[in-house]
Amino acid sequence: GAVVSQHPSRVICKSGTSVKIECRSLDFQATTMFWYRQFPKQSLMLMATSNEGSKATYEQGVEKDKFLINHASLTLSTLTVTSAHPEDSSFYICSAFGGGDRRTSTDTQYFGPGTRLTVL
Amino acid sequence: AQSVTQLGSHVSVSEGALVLLRCNYSSSVPPYLFWYVQYPNQGLQLLLKYTTGATLVKGINGFEAEFKKSETSFHLTKPSAHMSDAAEYFCAVTSSGGYNKLIFGAGTRLAVHP
Repeated sequence: GAVVSQHPSRVICKSGTSVKIECRSLDFQATTMFWYRQFPKQSLMLMATSNEGSKATYEQGVEKDKFLINHASLTLSTLTVTSAHPEDSSFYICSAFGGGDRRTSTDTQYFGPGTRLTVL
Repeated sequence: AQSVTQLGSHVSVSEGALVLLRCNYSSSVPPYLFWYVQYPNQGLQLLLKYTTGATLVKGINGFEAEFKKSETSFHLTKPSAHMSDAAEYFCAVTSSGGYNKLIFGAGTRLAVHP
């Protein structure tokens, strides 16, 4: 099946530093990737939609300068949390759509395992 | 606009009992419907999906769901609960084509007790 990885799985950083999270589709090409944020015991909140080679589309209320998204290739998207603060602590999850590869479908999002960010 | 309502934030069943997790959706266009499961500190795993065709959809781990347009529902069932089914379950909807964003329900935490 389609596999999506995230790195790192956990990160602890000091307030004011920047953190980069990578999302990779391991065995298929993903023209579209999504970034979600999940608070404890809550549902997933979509932050932005990332299309390869173009600027990300951010959801209302999400600061684009705070959460920088780059989708430089068909298998990699990155989320950089700039000048992180304790309120940015959360579980960040990415997902990817298959790009027509026979192992994937174009109507299903495949999710990564998530990254737990803790800002001290 | 689309939305998803999951009735019951917590459901508790005995091992071997029927599992029923409720999901109702709202959509002005033909929906694609999904059930995902999330184990603690992990991402989401697709259980099953409905796009078109047969309204009774079978998924992994013995789960199934039935799309009922007249009731705007997509309830998830499993005849016999197993301890390993304890997790958070999310129902989600998107419109046809799939590249549109998923709208998630609030989730239902399933507890299975001996």
